[in-house]
Amino acid sequence: KAGVTQTPRYLIKTRGQQVTLSCSPISGHRSVSWYQQTPGQGLQFLFEYFSETQRNKGNFPGRFSGRQFSNSRSEMNVSTLELGDSALYLCASSLVISGSHEQYFGPGTRLTVT
Amino acid sequence: DQQVKQNSPSLSVQEGRISILNCDYTNSMFDYFLWYKKYPAEGPTFLISISSIKDKNEDGRFTVFLNKSAKHLSLHIVPSQPGDSAVYFCAASARNAGNMLTFGGGTRLMVKP
Repeated sequence: KAGVTQTPRYLIKTRGQQVTLSCSPISGHRSVSWYQQTPGQGLQFLFEYFSETQRNKGNFPGRFSGRQFSNSRSEMNVSTLELGDSALYLCASSLVISGSHEQYFGPGTRLTVT
Repeated sequence: DQQVKQNSPSLSVQEGRISILNCDYTNSMFDYFLWYKKYPAEGPTFLISISSIKDKNEDGRFTVFLNKSAKHLSLHIVPSQPGDSAVYFCAASARNAGNMLTFGGGTRLMVKP
């Protein structure tokens, strides 16, 4: 079974631009979550989508948004990029089963904002 | 405020010995705990988990212990192998919070041959 895939793997953007990152979950997984990893803040939860609906949201500004499609693939968008948005963005997928919270992560997209 | 803390940023262990990684949490709503391993340039890999109704879960060389009264969990790796060298993250999820995970800061484990 193929794992979680993320595209692109690396991205360089300029301050003020916007960026869209893509995530394809493991086949059959309906929940997709996004995390940001930075040296200073560690791994932080951005949001979770299930059945095309945002189910949970972390403490990030409105410049960070996401969506999920009917095939469970997800995208996240960051508008008006700031230098502090430079990070590794990780996507994770999960089977939504009561009592089971294992999430399987993709390799991440390394975003550099200059 | 950090709800999940891993107070040791690094740990060095000899091959064949036991590695013990520790994690503390403050939120009493957390009811499920997970350990992930991460290599550079890769996403975290799920290792083992434990529900708050248990105090121990074992999977091969990996055992997780949960002490709810102390709000403390630990991961034991026995025997440690050089391939175990990685950053280990403790994570917690709360009831009614879906799949949202709160992560600790990570502990870098180095297993020396």
